[in-house]
Amino acid sequence: NAGVTQTPKFRVLKTGQSMTLLCAQDMNHEYMYWYRQDPGMGLRLIHYSVGEGTTAKGEVPDGYNVSRLKKQNFLLGLESAAPSQTSVYFCASSLASGSSYEQYFGPGTRLTVT
Amino acid sequence: SQKIEQNSEALNIQEGKTATLTCNYTNYSPAYLQWYRQDPGRGPVFLLLIRENEKEKRKERLKVTFDTTLKQSLFHITASQPADSATYLCALAPYSSASKIIFGSGTRLSIRP
Repeated sequence: NAGVTQTPKFRVLKTGQSMTLLCAQDMNHEYMYWYRQDPGMGLRLIHYSVGEGTTAKGEVPDGYNVSRLKKQNFLLGLESAAPSQTSVYFCASSLASGSSYEQYFGPGTRLTVT
Repeated sequence: SQKIEQNSEALNIQEGKTATLTCNYTNYSPAYLQWYRQDPGRGPVFLLLIRENEKEKRKERLKVTFDTTLKQSLFHITASQPADSATYLCALAPYSSASKIIFGSGTRLSIRP
């Protein structure tokens, strides 16, 4: 059981470039999330999904897009990277609604935009 | 707006003592309050959850209290060990919407031998 995995672990982008972060979970969880974590700030929710084929905006969705074509995968895309998107990105998953929303996190992706 | 605050200063504790971390919140009525541990360069790991109708929860050396009147949770680690050194995050969760979970910025705890 690998839990939640993320690729890549590190990435450096130039302003305006695009990239996709991949998250995979093998726990058959319905809910998946993308967060960013910046120094001195809590985890902030970017987008989330409550099931295969569904996505919704979180607190800070601008500049990001997501897709959940398969239940086990959740992709986060940056179409035109900006320095303000330099951050550590975490993917998480949890059981469906009605549970206690305990979240399982991946190891993170450190993204630098120059 | 909803706000969640944790000790902004790092906490340094002598090994063997009890570490107490604080989580305060405003403008929120959580159904659950969760505590996570985060080590440098890693994702948060779930530790404990306490429901709004519970006053206290224990797990091994960990104890969490939840006072919905004071809007505060306390997280205690008894008989602290250097291996307990990490950042601890609290998170508030509602009954009905996963998107409304909010995390504090965390408190860094250091246990010195």
